[in-house]
Amino acid sequence: EAGVAQSPRYKIIEKRQSVAFWCNPISGHATLYWYQQILGQGPKLLIQFQNNGVVDDSQLPKDRFSAERLKGVDSTLKIQPAKLEDSAVYLCASSLGGLGFSTETQYFGPGTRLLVL
Amino acid sequence: AQKITQTQPGMFVQEKEAVTLDCTYDTSDPSYGLFWYKQPSSGEMIFLIYQGSYDQQNATEGRYSLNFQKARKSANLVISASQLGDSAMYFCAMREGRTNAGKSTFGDGTTLTVKP
Repeated sequence: EAGVAQSPRYKIIEKRQSVAFWCNPISGHATLYWYQQILGQGPKLLIQFQNNGVVDDSQLPKDRFSAERLKGVDSTLKIQPAKLEDSAVYLCASSLGGLGFSTETQYFGPGTRLLVL
Repeated sequence: AQKITQTQPGMFVQEKEAVTLDCTYDTSDPSYGLFWYKQPSSGEMIFLIYQGSYDQQNATEGRYSLNFQKARKSANLVISASQLGDSAMYFCAMREGRTNAGKSTFGDGTTLTVKP
């Protein structure tokens, strides 16, 4: 079974530029997560989708970050314009998305390392 | 207030010995799940073990076990017979609520170094 795919793996941009990340979850997984992991910290949830609907985006800086999952499968996360403090690893994860008790684990992709200069 | 606290930024353990990584959590929701993940230097997050708030017994998965003390709100990870490949960052995480839609919160991690 293929894992969570992300691209690109690395990206270097200058501040005020825009950037987009792509994620393809494990086949059949209804729930998709985007996390930001700053060096030396744990992942911070940016947005969580259930199919193509947003479950939680309370920590997404909506003035510059946007995310979509139009067909309920793959997803893109965009930053426009980027700031220096956006330098981080952006992790995508997916889970089966069942309606039962929250026992499901999340499966993570390899992440995209973003450096904003 | 931080919901997941990992007080040990770094830990060292001798190969073949056991080590405990601490995790305390804070929630008012009676339903929650606790997870431990391993993140090697390559960056991928690997699921290790899960404990539900209503589980009566401590979870175990091979060399990993979770010391769950609900009243103290702690969920410490115990790694037995440490191996060199266990050297990595370890994260404790919590999902609140009864469903998969609950928000996940991660601690800031503990770096474990296994010495030969």
